[in-house]
Amino acid sequence: DQQVKQNSPSLSVQEGRISILNCDYTNSMFDYFLWYKKYPAEGPTFLISISSIKDKNEDGRFTVFLNKSAKHLSLHIVPSQPGDSAVYFCAASLQDKIIFGKGTRLHILP
Amino acid sequence: DARVTQTPRHKVTEMGQEVTMRCQPILGHNTVFWYRQTMMQGLELLAYFRNRAPLDDSGMPKDRFSAEMPDATLATLKIQPSEPRDSAVYFCASGGDRANYGYTFGSGTRLTVV
Repeated sequence: DQQVKQNSPSLSVQEGRISILNCDYTNSMFDYFLWYKKYPAEGPTFLISISSIKDKNEDGRFTVFLNKSAKHLSLHIVPSQPGDSAVYFCAASLQDKIIFGKGTRLHILP
Repeated sequence: DARVTQTPRHKVTEMGQEVTMRCQPILGHNTVFWYRQTMMQGLELLAYFRNRAPLDDSGMPKDRFSAEMPDATLATLKIQPSEPRDSAVYFCASGGDRANYGYTFGSGTRLTVV
């Protein structure tokens, strides 16, 4: 039973436009939500996190939005750049144990 | 630049053989995780440790997998006997007490069991 779901396996976005990656979760006890980015042949790298008591967190071009009533979060990347092409994992923590979704592959088109 | 070191980077072995994967967490990090990445399941949590004590290994097939931390600088994941379905990339990650700061992942061990 997947507690963290990323329903879009892939997404293509024009360079300079906004990329929006979505994630749904089922467990209302999660205390933090995180996004990781992964390039081929490398481990995932931490991007940004948000506490379950917040609804928005921003860091440079990256903003994460949390909608607790819908059990939904999203990552916005503005503007999208070629180096953003990677697999993005949504994750949630429960007492510091991190559970990941299956990932969304983002392609930034020239 | 602090990093999590995993060895070997690649391993090809025959079915039935023992496989040992090693991880050196970042110095000072007291939480260590083992994850497995497959196409079908994404990143699955296998086990994790805090201060070298196992906290949760419910994601691990108990009959063939074992995870240990003999000391603070080494975590091991063993598979005995290995099976073709164990073929995957295995990641180790380390961090402090709080998940919101993110954990640092190693580059992974790509295991192929033939």
